[in-house]
Amino acid sequence: GGIITQTPKFLIGQEGQKLTLKCQQNFNHDTMYWYRQDSGKGLRLIYYSITENDLQKGDLSEGYDASREKKSSFSLTVTSAQKNEMAVFLCASSMGQNQAPLFGEGTRLSVL
Amino acid sequence: AQKVTQTQTSISVVEKTTVTMDCVYETRDSSYFLFWYKQTASGEIVFLIRQDSYKKENATVGHYSLNFQKPKSSIGLIITATQIEDSAVYFCAMRESYYAQGLTFGLGTRVSVFP
Repeated sequence: GGIITQTPKFLIGQEGQKLTLKCQQNFNHDTMYWYRQDSGKGLRLIYYSITENDLQKGDLSEGYDASREKKSSFSLTVTSAQKNEMAVFLCASSMGQNQAPLFGEGTRLSVL
Repeated sequence: AQKVTQTQTSISVVEKTTVTMDCVYETRDSSYFLFWYKQTASGEIVFLIRQDSYKKENATVGHYSLNFQKPKSSIGLIITATQIEDSAVYFCAMRESYYAQGLTFGLGTRVSVFP
C-alpha cells in the first residue's frame, strides 16, 4: 500500500507571512489536489494537478500558489497569511480524475 | 457548476441499527461520479463507496450501500448494522465528467452511534 505524507502537521505563522505546505505520495498517482477545510465545514478545492508541471485553479485559489515539479509531490504556498486564520489543508491524490482521491492527514494552520 | 447539499447536520442512532443519510446534487453534465467519505474524530478522511451516474445498480461495499435516485439527483448512504466506530462525519462528493475541476463536497452529516 501507499501513503500520502503532508508536512508539517502543524504550522503556526504570522500575519503577512508566506507559508509553504508540502505533500508527497508514493501511490504513483497522476492527479493531486489541495483542499481547505474550515472548522465544521466541507472541503473546498484550492488547486489540483493532473500531471507533473500542470496546475489547475479551484474555486479557492486566490491567495495561494501551487507547484508540481515531480509526479510524487505537490506543494501549496499561502502567499500572505491572514490574521486569525485557522484551517486544515488536505492533500489528496488519485489515479486519474475519475477515481476516488485518497487523502493525507492534513496540515493544521494557525495564524497569529 | 456542480453543487452538493447534505441537509442533515447530525443523526444519532443506536448500535446495530441502520442509519440513512441524504445527499442531493446539481449538475449540468449527463455523466458524473458520486463519492462518500468518512472523517473520523482524528481528522482522517477515508473513502467509502462510489456510484457512477451511468450505472443503474446501487453500489454496495461491506455494510455501506447507496440509494441512487437519478431523476431526483439524490444519492443516499445507508449503513447497516452500525457499530460505535461508525461514529464520524460523512461527506458526499461529486465530480462532473466533462466540466469538473475536482470533487465538490457537501458540508457533511455527523453520525453518532450509541450503545
